[in-house]
Amino acid sequence: GAGVSQTPSNKVTEKGKYVELRCDPISGHTALYWYRQSLGQGPEFLIYFQGTGAADDSGLPNDRFFAVRPEGSVSTLKIQRTERGDSAVYLCASTPTRASYNEQFFGPGTRLTVL
Amino acid sequence: KQEVTQIPAALSVPEGENLVLNCSFTDSAIYNLQWFRQDPGKGLTSLLLIQSSQREQTSGRLNASLDKSSGRSTLYIAASQPGDSATYLCAANSGNMLTFGGGTRLMVKP
Repeated sequence: GAGVSQTPSNKVTEKGKYVELRCDPISGHTALYWYRQSLGQGPEFLIYFQGTGAADDSGLPNDRFFAVRPEGSVSTLKIQRTERGDSAVYLCASTPTRASYNEQFFGPGTRLTVL
Repeated sequence: KQEVTQIPAALSVPEGENLVLNCSFTDSAIYNLQWFRQDPGKGLTSLLLIQSSQREQTSGRLNASLDKSSGRSTLYIAASQPGDSATYLCAANSGNMLTFGGGTRLMVKP
């Protein structure tokens, strides 16, 4: 079956602009996660959704970052007033249920470059 | 706050060697630990998942062990091949999130 998909695969924007990154989880997966991976580092947690609600947004770096999942499937990560330091690969993952023992399945990521 | 460390940061070996990658975590209250492979410019491919109640998992030439009490996991790769060249990441699951180590960059030379 189809895995986690993310669009766009690459996004180049200018400092100060607004961007949206999209994640399509595996069909039927109720839990969805966003992570950010800077060059040469491991991914860092941003936010976790269970259904439509953000169950844990403790990893969002500041209020320029926001994410939604209005129908409990597709999620959009929104970044306002982008800064050069936001340049990174943004990864999305999903799991079948909220059970903590589940394996997380990752998408290919969106590479964001802020000029 | 969970912290995960991977040693070594980089490793270069000749083809055919058996090798061990190390992962340590500070908070032993984890649900599971996952090992991933990441090729340059690509996403994460899950290799092995060890639940907190398990001691090890095996898949082909890969074997991962978990010692929760000491906060350590190892990934053993047998008979390494050039196609194994990639970055290997471990991640501890503490509930709502995975906490990743910095990765080990592996190069297997023909």
